[in-house]
Amino acid sequence: GAVVSQHPSWVICKSGTSVKIECRSLDFQATTMFWYRQFPKQSLMLMATSNEGSKATYEQGVEKDKFLINHASLTLSTLTVTSAHPEDSSFYICSATGLAGGTWGDEQFFGPGTRLTVL
Amino acid sequence: DAKTTQPPSMDCAEGRAANLPCNHSTISGNEYVYWYRQIHSQGPQYIIHGLKNNETNEMASLIITEDRKSSTLILPHATLRDTAVYYCIVRVGSGAGSYQLTFGKGTKLSVIP
Repeated sequence: GAVVSQHPSWVICKSGTSVKIECRSLDFQATTMFWYRQFPKQSLMLMATSNEGSKATYEQGVEKDKFLINHASLTLSTLTVTSAHPEDSSFYICSATGLAGGTWGDEQFFGPGTRLTVL
Repeated sequence: DAKTTQPPSMDCAEGRAANLPCNHSTISGNEYVYWYRQIHSQGPQYIIHGLKNNETNEMASLIITEDRKSSTLILPHATLRDTAVYYCIVRVGSGAGSYQLTFGKGTKLSVIP
């Protein structure tokens, strides 16, 4: 399958600071990227959907001003957690889907995840 | 997207076939059945998907009943590395909004030596 990377793989930050997480599609152009959050022993919850060059669409209950998403190119999307607090500590996972009809069709490929711990 | 029902956990002996069931009784005609798995502290990994025909790839086989209300993922020779949470997801295969995946609780498969 196609490869999606995330950076960093883990981060620890102080409460009130902002953290940026990068998601990259390494071998295909990702028209759409998704951001998920997963708390311990729970399933993945979709946070937002971003299409290259347009504003992200956030799921109900997700604060768009707190979780800033930028999808500036077909291979990179970033999630910035602003003014992070301990309750934002979680496993953040991105996924990407390629051009319809392309090599990878419309399958979603997931990154390895980023573990955020806010002290 | 239609909802799915999976057993919360299953055990399988190493080297034996692992058969993971999924019920999706409200599936629509244009919805596909997808399987992903998540090994601890990693991102989900795509396994296989199908519409109505049985499918096989290098990882697994997918058996979909004729009425499409249930399916079974088969790992033919389970190894310890197959220990993971397996998610069965149904979604529309194409069109606007077709790309979203809604994850349920999945089945935690434990492969036992």
